[in-house]
Amino acid sequence: GEDVEQSLFLSVREGDSSVINCTYTDSSSTYLYWYKQEPGAGLQLLTYIFSNMDMKQDQRLTVLLNKKDKHLSLRIADTQTGDSAIYFCAEVNDYKLSFGAGTTVTVRA
Amino acid sequence: EAGVVQSPRYKIIEKKQPVAFWCNPISGHNTLYWYLQNLGQGPELLIRYENEEAVDDSQLPKDRFSAERLKGVDSTLKIQPAELGDSAVYLCASSRGLAGGNEQFFGPGTRLTVL
Repeated sequence: GEDVEQSLFLSVREGDSSVINCTYTDSSSTYLYWYKQEPGAGLQLLTYIFSNMDMKQDQRLTVLLNKKDKHLSLRIADTQTGDSAIYFCAEVNDYKLSFGAGTTVTVRA
Repeated sequence: EAGVVQSPRYKIIEKKQPVAFWCNPISGHNTLYWYLQNLGQGPELLIRYENEEAVDDSQLPKDRFSAERLKGVDSTLKIQPAELGDSAVYLCASSRGLAGGNEQFFGPGTRLTVL
């Protein structure tokens, strides 16, 4: 969706950290999401953050939210080959999800 | 628990032909969504059902697209006639309810190619 913007590509070495950035426009979004899409598969919810939070950590995943700048990031620690996929951020207003175009993450050995 | 099931997974048709996609949501999920995903883009909502009622079809091109969810469970999305620009992945998703925090579970999608 045009209201959510992401960088399109990220290449990272196995074992390093990946950081995927996203900007959104709807300040009334109550939740912000990160989805993962592997080739030929549907979208899988990785994690989400409430709009009243600044940070959420879930195992190797860390989500940071800067509400002032409407900026969301996803950090993947110790990136593995299985993390190669397209990552979408999404904002929600009521029920409706608006997705970014996705960031293709390539993990190289 | 079985996930969202969609069929067919792939469909190739010639332009002007009709095509239909089928979706079986997760058991107990009252809300069903159809999304369109063009290559290199994120999904865009086409229609949302609450049980058998289409509560938001504002993004559905009604001249050629139609959808139904007759018994509030399975759903079918139809295109008639298909155009070249309809080539995309059609995703179905379901969730337990309206609340914004409810996770939407996605099926694998149907990849449509219109020749």
